[in-house]
Amino acid sequence: EVQLVESGGGFVQPGGSLRLSCAASGVTFRNYAMSWVRQAPGKGLEWVSTINGGGGNTYFADSVRGRFAISRDNSKNTLFLQMNNLSGEDTAIYYCAKERFFDSGGRDFDFWGQGTLVTVSS
Amino acid sequence: IQMTQSPSSLSASIGDRVTLTCRASQNITKYLNWIQQRPAKAPKVLIYAASNLQTGVPSRFSGSGSGTDFTLTISNLQPGDFATYYCQQTYSTPPAFGGGTKVEIK
Repeated sequence: EVQLVESGGGFVQPGGSLRLSCAASGVTFRNYAMSWVRQAPGKGLEWVSTINGGGGNTYFADSVRGRFAISRDNSKNTLFLQMNNLSGEDTAIYYCAKERFFDSGGRDFDFWGQGTLVTVSS
Repeated sequence: IQMTQSPSSLSASIGDRVTLTCRASQNITKYLNWIQQRPAKAPKVLIYAASNLQTGVPSRFSGSGSGTDFTLTISNLQPGDFATYYCQQTYSTPPAFGGGTKVEIK
């Protein structure tokens, strides 16, 4: 069974940094693109970033581009999100999600972690 | 691509049939997923590519549509179905989500 476990969330002051991790098990990690999706308190889902299986291609939402970096360590089945220059608008639960691509095109996020809460406040 | 869901919330009773709609701002062919999020839980995909049921999801859930207009129908509403439902397009990056429809107990 695929399991994704996020860690690294917490309380940080505006302008600060935080590094999130997502440990994967039950899956051949290197074969799959992985994404981060966040959810601000009481709000909807917002895609943040995606990295392909090999780690060579990365994609970011406009709201985080230039401040966040996504990476992965396939030898340790772990996904990371380095978040810099944080602001209150980044306060959210951050979920990691495994991507699944279809032969006919398109994709979905077929497995999600339970999330880790990031709170940015002075 | 912008995704718009309607209604933003609805009230229904156990056993009811409800229909949720999602509209894309441009043609996304069939690349539309439906995601359920129960309170304080992680999201879970129900339907992928507009009409394909994810493994393990009850057949009470069905999806249809293509192009810009899509629907999620839940038949015989059960207690565990009271949740927020999001549509998500994966035709292009960013894979945008709709604002969600909250299904509440009447």
